[in-house]
Amino acid sequence: DIQMTQSPSYLSASVGDRVTITCRASQSITTYLSWYQQKPGKGTKLLIYAASSLQSGVPSRFSGSGSGTDFTLTISSLQPEDFATYYCQQSYSTPFTFGPGTKVDIQ
Amino acid sequence: QVHLQESGPGLVKPSETLSLTCTVSGDSSSSYYWSWIRQPPGKGLEWIGYIYDSGTSNYNPSLKSRVTLSVDTSKNQFSLKLRSVTAADTAVYYCARLSSGHYDAVDIWGQGTMVTVSS
Repeated sequence: DIQMTQSPSYLSASVGDRVTITCRASQSITTYLSWYQQKPGKGTKLLIYAASSLQSGVPSRFSGSGSGTDFTLTISSLQPEDFATYYCQQSYSTPFTFGPGTKVDIQ
Repeated sequence: QVHLQESGPGLVKPSETLSLTCTVSGDSSSSYYWSWIRQPPGKGLEWIGYIYDSGTSNYNPSLKSRVTLSVDTSKNQFSLKLRSVTAADTAVYYCARLSSGHYDAVDIWGQGTMVTVSS
């Protein structure tokens, strides 16, 4: 199985901050990497697919980059509605696997 | 607008079979296929498996011996059966749509249903 790690596991930030979350795969997954946002009671939402493609309807302050084993999710200017948990996931090979998550909290 | 809705018992006894169904509403083309994902309380996400409308399926090896996915295209439904459950199977279970046009990402998630394994 491909193992996914994320860092940090928790971060505290303020509205307007630039936030970067890192995801690493245990082997190359080319660009088969997605990012999701999960909010309690509001479900889970696809933000980025193919490492850097913005899902339709997602604000442009979200961006993704990377290929191979190292990836980043960046929120250029954190908004109140962005406080949530973020997961990366590889779909390069089965079993598809998720990172452990990064919780973004209000400072 | 496609919507996914899970249904099934919220409480299952140990050693019994967990059965959930996902109903798909709205138009969905053949570019998509269907998955189950679970999340134990306070923990991360675990992929259970996926199934195509043709019935071809793929399971997580960690659960493969206990899992069966099925699809009923006439009812716009797909289902999960997990046999011989234990407390470790207590989780929120999500049904999801995978999109080959999105590098096999989950582009639509159900709201999730909590299943507790307890006597």
